[in-house]
Amino acid sequence: NAGVTQTPKFQVLKTGQSMTLQCAQDMNHEYMSWYRQDPGMGLRLIHYSVGAGITDQGEVPNGYNVSRSTTEDFPLRLLSAAPSQTSVYFCASSISGDSYEQYFGPGTRLTVT
Amino acid sequence: GQQVMQIPQYQHVQEGEDFTTYCNSSTTLSNIQWYKQRPGGHPVFLIQLVKSGEVKKQKRLTFQFGEAKKNSSLHITATQTTDVGTYFCAGQAGGAQKLVFGQGTRLTINP
Repeated sequence: NAGVTQTPKFQVLKTGQSMTLQCAQDMNHEYMSWYRQDPGMGLRLIHYSVGAGITDQGEVPNGYNVSRSTTEDFPLRLLSAAPSQTSVYFCASSISGDSYEQYFGPGTRLTVT
Repeated sequence: GQQVMQIPQYQHVQEGEDFTTYCNSSTTLSNIQWYKQRPGGHPVFLIQLVKSGEVKKQKRLTFQFGEAKKNSSLHITATQTTDVGTYFCAGQAGGAQKLVFGQGTRLTINP
């Protein structure tokens, strides 16, 4: 089992560019989520999904889109990158969204100049 | 919306000293989870507390969930250099399909 994988590990974007952060899990988990981590702010939920075809917004969804066409994959799209989106992004998965531990991927460090 | 506050933000101790981090929620929680993140790494699940007043131990780590299910603490006895990292609490309100994380407590240790 690879667990939760994320690509790329590092990315530098210019303001206004778009990109997709990839996340995949091989544990057949129904629940997947995206967080961003900024110094002193902890982990803030961007979007989450309770199953294929179902997504919902978290605390900080603006500027990000998600889709969940398969159980395994949950990509995060930045539509028009801004310097405020410079952060470390973590994808996580769990059996369900109800009282189960979350397994985190290794993260993507994104810098927007 | 639901907020989870964690203190202190930083803690530096001598190896062998004890360490405690506290977590407070603005709303009653159905459960609280604790995670550890080593420097440069990703958060790793430590434990989940569900019952009011629950206390769980993992070797030198003791986790408590408050009677009102709005606060929690993590206590490490006799810290070791392997305990270095950031400890996060994450609370889930009843019916909500999402965790709200505290800001984390970064623990550094002087050997």
